[in-house]
Formats: sequence, structure tokens, C-alpha cells
Amino acid sequence: NAGVMQNPRHLVRRRGQEARLRCSPMKGHSHVYWYRQLPEEGLKFMVYLQKENIIDESGMPKERFSAEFPKEGPSILRIQQVVRGDSAAYFCASSAALPWTSSGELFFGEGSRLTVL
Amino acid sequence: AQKVTQAQTEISVVEKEDVTLDCVYETRDTTYYLFWYKQPPSGELVFLIRRNSFDEQNEISGRYSWNFQKSTSSFNFTITASQVVDSAVYFCALSEAIGTASKLTFGTGTRLQVTL
Repeated sequence: NAGVMQNPRHLVRRRGQEARLRCSPMKGHSHVYWYRQLPEEGLKFMVYLQKENIIDESGMPKERFSAEFPKEGPSILRIQQVVRGDSAAYFCASSAALPWTSSGELFFGEGSRLTVL
Repeated sequence: AQKVTQAQTEISVVEKEDVTLDCVYETRDTTYYLFWYKQPPSGELVFLIRRNSFDEQNEISGRYSWNFQKSTSSFNFTITASQVVDSAVYFCALSEAIGTASKLTFGTGTRLQVTL
């Protein structure tokens, strides 16, 4: 999982504030995925993006959550008006080649842990 | 819909014991990938293995081995001669196609505790 950089590693917010989580994919990777891990649970897919495009956001909550992956800069997962239930670890992953090729592999970052007070 | 079941929530073993972590999956895809990840107490996800649906050969890597049985939709993971450093949560995952890319469906994880 070396190379996918997430920051901040830990973020504390009060209810109603905004949280912004950043993900820089591995060099040369153009596919970014966000996953959420609630306490004591497995990871759940949230959204899949390519540069400037959201490809699949079927796992994103309908309100308050948004994601982008601009032409320049990192991918951003934005949570507006956070609530306690948003407390979780948010993992970013990136890939280069399409996963169905022999070289395709998903690389995960170390996660950003959001705590909402 | 994709589903991954890890029925064992928590397993405790004594060092040097062998331990098998079970994973059962459901999918309608004919082409898919199965994964195992390790999440140590520090929280990062460590990739262990990826196996495609056409390759049912078992694989061994050091003390780790994987048994893929398509007939029973299982992809079990065995650690031989377990060590304290193996203590972690282990996740099994299944890929699902999004167009030509994919997303992973994770099981709920098995927490392995290895004690001296």
C-alpha cells in the first residue's frame, strides 16, 4: 500500500462542522476509490472516480457527502455538517490499469480517522 | 448482489498453532477476483493476495496458504505456525465490475489474537 497518501491521518470535528479528507493516488494512477470503515465493521465502498469524473457513487450517502478528483491535485472527500455517526476510518485506494488485467491491483492508503464530538 | 461472509468474528490461538480463517462469497459474475487483507492494530490495510475466478490452484506464501474452492464459493486462508505478529483483523473481499473497472465488497472481518 505504499504510495497512496491520505491526510489528515486523524481529524476531530464538532457536530455541524465540515470535514475534508484528501487522497493523493500513487504516481501514474488515475482511478481513485473511497471506502468507509465504521467501528468494528468491514470496509464499505463509497465512490469511484477518475480524473474529473465520478464513475460510481452508489455507496455515497445521499446528503452531506461529496467527492471530487480534479484534473490537478488530490481527490477530496467532503462531509458537510458532520454528525456523530460519521465517525469512521475513511480509506482511499488507487489503481492504474483496469483491475481485469494482470497488472491491475488496488493500493490502499493508511486511512483518515474522523472523530465527531 | 455481491456478498462476503466471514462467519468467525474472533479467533484466539496460542503461538505456533495453525489457524484457518473462513470466507464464503456470493456473486453472479463469472469473472471476479477474491482478496485477503490484513489490518494490524495500527489500522492500515495490508494486501495479502488476489486470486481470479479462473485460477483454482491453491497458493502458498511462506506460512500463509489459501484454498480456493469454486464449488463451495469459499476462499479460506490458513496461517501455519502462527506468531504474535499475526494478530490482526483479516478481511476477505470480492471484486465487482463497474463497467470495466471494479469495486470491492468486504466481509466483516475476523479478528485473530495470537498469544504466547
